[in-house]
Amino acid sequence: RKEVEQDPGPFNVPEGATVAFNCTYSNSASQSFFWYRQDCRKEPKLLMSVYSSGNEDGRFTAQLNRASQYISLLIRDSKLSDSATYLCVVNENFNKFYFGSGTKLNVKP
Amino acid sequence: DAGVIQSPRHEVTEMGQEVTLRCKPISGHNSLFWYRQTMMRGLELLIYFNNNVPIDDSGMPEDRFSAKMPNASFSTLKIQPSEPRDSAVYFCASRQTDRGHTGTQYFGPGTRLLVL
Repeated sequence: RKEVEQDPGPFNVPEGATVAFNCTYSNSASQSFFWYRQDCRKEPKLLMSVYSSGNEDGRFTAQLNRASQYISLLIRDSKLSDSATYLCVVNENFNKFYFGSGTKLNVKP
Repeated sequence: DAGVIQSPRHEVTEMGQEVTLRCKPISGHNSLFWYRQTMMRGLELLIYFNNNVPIDDSGMPEDRFSAKMPNASFSTLKIQPSEPRDSAVYFCASRQTDRGHTGTQYFGPGTRLLVL
């Protein structure tokens, strides 16, 4: 069983749409959680950390459900520039990070 | 400020050859990570160092892989001998890790390795 699982997509949405991704993790003792964004043939970059109380950064909202062991990312008012692969990342201890395989988002004009 | 620097950016080699990938972390970061990314397996952590000391190498696939960090500003990942299944993108990442504080991981641009 993988430590972090994501729906690979692709999610094809029109500009302006709202889209949500979920990610599940297997280790209930996981300590911190992140969403990274990866553009085609580029390195992953941190999009946002995920806090227990949920957090928002502009059009992006991240939530954590420890009881059900899942993390979500909501993108409102999608832009063409949001097209990318979104990676869910779980930190189990100190420097042990597990990356999901990513969810591909295509925002169409 | 310079980010994480990796070299070479692309490497094409023949099966059986030795491959050495290089990484310079962000200055001041004390943790360094090597990852491998493939379509089939996604992004996998191979090994990480803290204060130049290898802490966890459980992700290193086999003895053909080795990594060193002789000082705070340089690390290498070596594959000897290389095999076609080693073809992947290899990323190096660094972060500042202190007790009670965890910084963001910053990734280098990656080395695209093709073993023929």
